[in-house]
Order: sequence, then structure tokens, then C-alpha cells
Amino acid sequence: DAGVIQSPRHEVTEMGQEVTLRCKPISGHDYLFWYRQTMMRGLELLIYFNNNVPIDDSGMPEDRFSAKMPNASFSTLKIQPSEPRDSAVYFCASSYGTSGGSSYNEQFFGPGTRLTVL
Amino acid sequence: DAKTTQPTSMDCAEGRAANLPCNHSTISGNEYVYWYRQIHSQGPQYIIHGLKNNETNEMASLIITEDRKSSTLILPHATLRDTAVYYCIVAGNNRKLIWGLGTSLAVNP
Repeated sequence: DAGVIQSPRHEVTEMGQEVTLRCKPISGHDYLFWYRQTMMRGLELLIYFNNNVPIDDSGMPEDRFSAKMPNASFSTLKIQPSEPRDSAVYFCASSYGTSGGSSYNEQFFGPGTRLTVL
Repeated sequence: DAKTTQPTSMDCAEGRAANLPCNHSTISGNEYVYWYRQIHSQGPQYIIHGLKNNETNEMASLIITEDRKSSTLILPHATLRDTAVYYCIVAGNNRKLIWGLGTSLAVNP
């Protein structure tokens, strides 16, 4: 398996522009997570999905952020309009729904998208 | 979820064992201890997890104290490629992992 795939790997945009980040989870995984990582705040969970349905979006910073999962193999995180404070590395991760026993929180991460908003 | 406390940074000589401590004094009975690491510019990588028994896999060993208030991740023969930030996380059966700042481990030649 290719692992979790994210695109683009780097994105530079100007303030006010729309940004769309993409994620393909590992085949067969039914949980998908979006994280944001900055030096100041560390790694923060933004939202996660189970079977394509958003379960917890309490970490989404504000209405400028939205996430969708139209099918089991694709998810997007959109920022509109983008601001310089959104500059960060955004990670997507996926995991199995029901694994044997205790591996509920074994998450597989993608390589991340480094976003710079000028 | 219980909070964890880890040293900010540690050093280890290549080929020696690296012992990374973690305190989780408020852990509850149904919470597991998970360890992840993040090598520079990569996504975090799962290492190991445990409930109360010691665990070992091809990457590391996890030692959990009998009262479960602390644990130690052991990398038996550290290599330069083990230089990374190591995160100790306590979580139950929900899916939300709360990430602290971790321990930055430097393996020196």
C-alpha cells in the first residue's frame, strides 16, 4: 500500500485566496483525521470522519475552514479566505475502524502539506 | 483524556539504549499509553502502545509501572535515524489524540 497520500506537498498563496488540501487515506481504513501543526501550538486535531461522516469538528478554528469526505478514498480541507496565521503543516491520517483489541488509536499519517499564506 | 509530562529533550549515544520517560499520573483504568515519533519534516509514526503489561515490538519496548502512573519507551540500540521528537499520549477508546510537545531525542555518533 502507498500509505496516506496528500497533495500538494507545498502550497504558497496570498492572503484572501482559497486553498484546498487533498488526502487519500489507506484503502480499508474508515477513520480519517485532519491535523494542523505549528511551532507555537504543536499538533492539533481539526476534524475527523468515520465512514465519510464528520464525527468531531470541534478543532476547526473558524468558519473559514471546511472539510469534506465525499467517498471512502478522498477528503478535502478547504480554507476560504486564507490568512497568514493559517500558515502551518497540515497532516491527514487514517486508521482502522475496528481492529483487534486496543489499536483504536494507531493512526497512519501522510507526509503533510506545508502551507504558506503571504 | 489524561495529560502526560515528558522531558523537553534528551541525548543518547549511537548504539546505546535510549530510555524515554513519561509521567501520566491521572491515567484512568480504560486508557492506554501510546507512543509516536516524528522525524523532521515527516508525519508522526506510531511506535507502540500498552495498557498495563510491558510490550515489545520490532521498534521498541514499553515498560509501564505497576500503578500505571508512568512509563518508559526503550529503543534498545539507538541509531542516528532514531533522532526525532517522541510523543507519549494517553487515550481511551475514543479517536482523539491529544498531542503535547514531546521529547526531542538526539542520537549522537
